[in-house]
Amino acid sequence: DIQMTQSPSSLSASVGDRVTITCRASQGIGNDLGWFQQKPGKAPKRLIFGASSLQSGVPSRFSGSGSGTEFTLTISSLQPEDFATYYCLQHNSYPHTFGQGTKLEIK
Amino acid sequence: EVQLVESGGGLVQPGGSLRLSCVASGFTFSSYWMTWVRQAPGKGLEWVANIKQDGGEKYYVDSVKGRFTISRDNAENSLSLQMNSLRAEDTAIYYCVRSVSMAYWGQGNLVTVSS
Repeated sequence: DIQMTQSPSSLSASVGDRVTITCRASQGIGNDLGWFQQKPGKAPKRLIFGASSLQSGVPSRFSGSGSGTEFTLTISSLQPEDFATYYCLQHNSYPHTFGQGTKLEIK
Repeated sequence: EVQLVESGGGLVQPGGSLRLSCVASGFTFSSYWMTWVRQAPGKGLEWVANIKQDGGEKYYVDSVKGRFTISRDNAENSLSLQMNSLRAEDTAIYYCVRSVSMAYWGQGNLVTVSS
């Protein structure tokens, strides 16, 4: 199974900060990676697909990069509505696997 | 507008069975892989199973193999997850999700396995 190691597991930041979350795959997955945002009591929402393509309707302050085994999600300038938990997902090989999540909290 | 509406969750005793359903609208259901994802209380996301457009390929996470069966009815735009021999560790919110890359999610349906 491919393990997705997401870091950090939690992060405190302020409105306006630039934030980066990383996912490392235990083996190469090409660009078969997505990033998701989940707020309490809500279903996850896809932000990024194909490692770097922005989902329609998602603000441009979100961006994704990487390929192979190392991937990053960057939020260029944090907004109040961005405080949530973020997950990466690999769908290159079965079983598909998520990272353990990054909880982004207000400093 | 893409909509995925799950139903069928609830409380079941260990060893029991439950069938989850998901009705899709707003897109051509038969053109997409469909996926089930679950989330135990206070925990992260776990991919459970998915099924190809024609139902000819199905994949499962090891922990549910032999106990859960994913199926679909393209004429009814519906996806199902038959869950047998349920265990306490199957307690979770179950999400119906469109496609392998998970573009759209249902609202989730809580399954509680407890005596």
